[in-house]
Amino acid sequence: AQTVTQSQPEMSVQEAETVTLSCTYDTSESDYYLFWYKQPPSRQMILVIRQEAYKQQNATENRFSVNFQKAAKSFSLKISDSQLGDAAMYFCAYRNQLAYDKVIFGPGTSLSVIP
Amino acid sequence: NAGVTQTPKFQVLKTGQSMTLQCAQDMNHEYMSWYRQDPGMGLRLIHYSVGAGITDQGEVPNGYNVSRSTTEDFPLRLLSAAPSQTSVYFCASSYVDRVGYGYTFGSGTRLTVV
Repeated sequence: AQTVTQSQPEMSVQEAETVTLSCTYDTSESDYYLFWYKQPPSRQMILVIRQEAYKQQNATENRFSVNFQKAAKSFSLKISDSQLGDAAMYFCAYRNQLAYDKVIFGPGTSLSVIP
Repeated sequence: NAGVTQTPKFQVLKTGQSMTLQCAQDMNHEYMSWYRQDPGMGLRLIHYSVGAGITDQGEVPNGYNVSRSTTEDFPLRLLSAAPSQTSVYFCASSYVDRVGYGYTFGSGTRLTVV
């Protein structure tokens, strides 16, 4: 069965600095999707960035980028120029290409931003 | 375009009571799903649906029932509430665009069973 691990339950970063959140996953499939979701105190789940496994180029969305290492089964999220609004819970998630709608989430990393 | 709408936002139930969490989407998405979120465990899939009339079980389906009579609505029923079902529940619908799959979540329902 596929699993998603986030080894950092909590992290902190100074405002305007860069932080990297780690995510590893376990799968025997070759094609799948990976996601990072942000959950601020409002509880809303917000899609930050996503990547399909067969695309080798790392995805970027403004200040957010990923380092996707398929062989190592690693999908880390880098947040540049951190802002106070980035403080939230961040979830890494995995979806098998053929798994219909079964998304597997990691346990989350709580990110604090220090002014 | 309201996205995914969940009601209610908060609910307190007594053990043994039943209730229905409502979920509606106006984006014409075929796929919909229900998750529960517990501290330290991320989100876990309860049930999902790939279209009207088609549902299937996820990782933690016991104690929950779903049906999908229309594309828009995907209610989650708690048959006989137990304290172990105290959680935050999220409904989601999924789509495919030029990037690939994506998921839109509702704002969640915080359920407490006493």
